[in-house]
Amino acid sequence: EADIYQTPRYLVIGTGKKITLECSQTMGHDKMYWYQQDPGMELHLIHYSYGVNSTEKGDLSSESTVSRIRTEHFPLTLESARPSHTSQYLCASSEAGQGNEKLFFGSGTQLSVL
Amino acid sequence: DAKTTQPTSMDCAEGRAANLPCNHSTISGNEYVYWYRQIHSQGPQYIIHGLKNNETNEMASLIITEDRKSSTLILPHATLRDTAVYYCIVRVANRDDKIIFGKGTRLHILP
Repeated sequence: EADIYQTPRYLVIGTGKKITLECSQTMGHDKMYWYQQDPGMELHLIHYSYGVNSTEKGDLSSESTVSRIRTEHFPLTLESARPSHTSQYLCASSEAGQGNEKLFFGSGTQLSVL
Repeated sequence: DAKTTQPTSMDCAEGRAANLPCNHSTISGNEYVYWYRQIHSQGPQYIIHGLKNNETNEMASLIITEDRKSSTLILPHATLRDTAVYYCIVRVANRDDKIIFGKGTRLHILP
């Protein structure tokens, strides 16, 4: 079983609030990812990290930011939430290896901005 | 990374084998084929992966053509719980790159 955790599971907030979505994994994986997904739509990569102090932007432009100060922790922050940020946010991690880089996903955070 | 194409949706009768195709005609020699599935709004779940040879595990079998330009994921005895979106991805192992999911195939298992 994958040991990757996202909190909160659901979040409803007002416009303009600053929020941080938490993602932690206990598998010692170097690589971590954030995806955004609207209902019935495909996953879009918004951020990823190769390891500590490494962060990269994904394919979908996002107003969110991420940090990777510790291997196990990859939080995503929205400085000022807007209704357009309403979506599901999925965190994933993988180990680096010879063809064995399975992605493990968390349960997701469903964000609603009013 | 090479891109993949999959049918938008498929139906399969419960208890029958579900065969999900994936085309990856521009795959290069060091790219692996990975399959994931996503049930409802849960996070995607890894199913299987392979390079050249056919692979089998407790969930499914993966058949890769000899020229590696296409593959088929086989669920041998589909159940209603296999209803999900199935994603086929190709990528190079041990490379620091983006992992991009396409639209996948929405598989409906019919009772």
